Amino acid sequence: GNSVTQMEGPVTLSEEAFLTINCTYTATGYPSLFWYVQYPGEGLQLLLKATKADDKGSNKGFEATYRKETTSFHLEKGSVQVSDSAVYFCALGSSNTGKLIFGQGTTLQVKP
Amino acid sequence: NAGVTQTPKFQVLKTGQSMTLQCAQDMNHNSMYWYRQDPGMGLRLIYYSASEGTTDKGEVPNGYNVSRLNKREFSLRLESAAPSQTSVYFCASIKETSGTDTQYFGPGTRLTVL
Repeated sequence: GNSVTQMEGPVTLSEEAFLTINCTYTATGYPSLFWYVQYPGEGLQLLLKATKADDKGSNKGFEATYRKETTSFHLEKGSVQVSDSAVYFCALGSSNTGKLIFGQGTTLQVKP
Repeated sequence: NAGVTQTPKFQVLKTGQSMTLQCAQDMNHNSMYWYRQDPGMGLRLIYYSASEGTTDKGEVPNGYNVSRLNKREFSLRLESAAPSQTSVYFCASIKETSGTDTQYFGPGTRLTVL
């Protein structure tokens, strides 16, 4: 069945460091891919998405490219801020039910 | 426009008690979902409702029931709570089940079963 695997956390970085959070998936067909972010004490909110191969999603300085050949959707940001501290979830969307399959989440802590 | 709202925010139950978690959305979305979030396991789908009048099981439905009361509301019921149901519960909704639409999440209900 479909599944998503994220790199283990927590990830601790200094402010202005470069961020990569790895995400790989297993799926039949060509699902959409998402990154959601969860700030402390809140629900999840969409960070970015890509709906087909080679698409790049971007938002708030974060980027991820849908790579079909490597079945990956790695999240990157060139210079993180303390306010980026949160839990990041990679997810795969089902085209006929709208269901999301989530990775286990990666906690990012950015220190000043 | 409140988006997705959930009540209550926190709840403590004793083993064997029952309760209903409420969820409502004001975005005229067709589909609604209940997830549970446990440490190290991401979010797992409990039940979903693709449209008003339909419900289907997700990955972890045992011990839960749902009701799609109308287009706006989707409730989750625990008939006899167990400690294994201690979790954070999120409701979400989506306009269309095309697989490309964004799911919008509520703020969550933190449930503890003693």
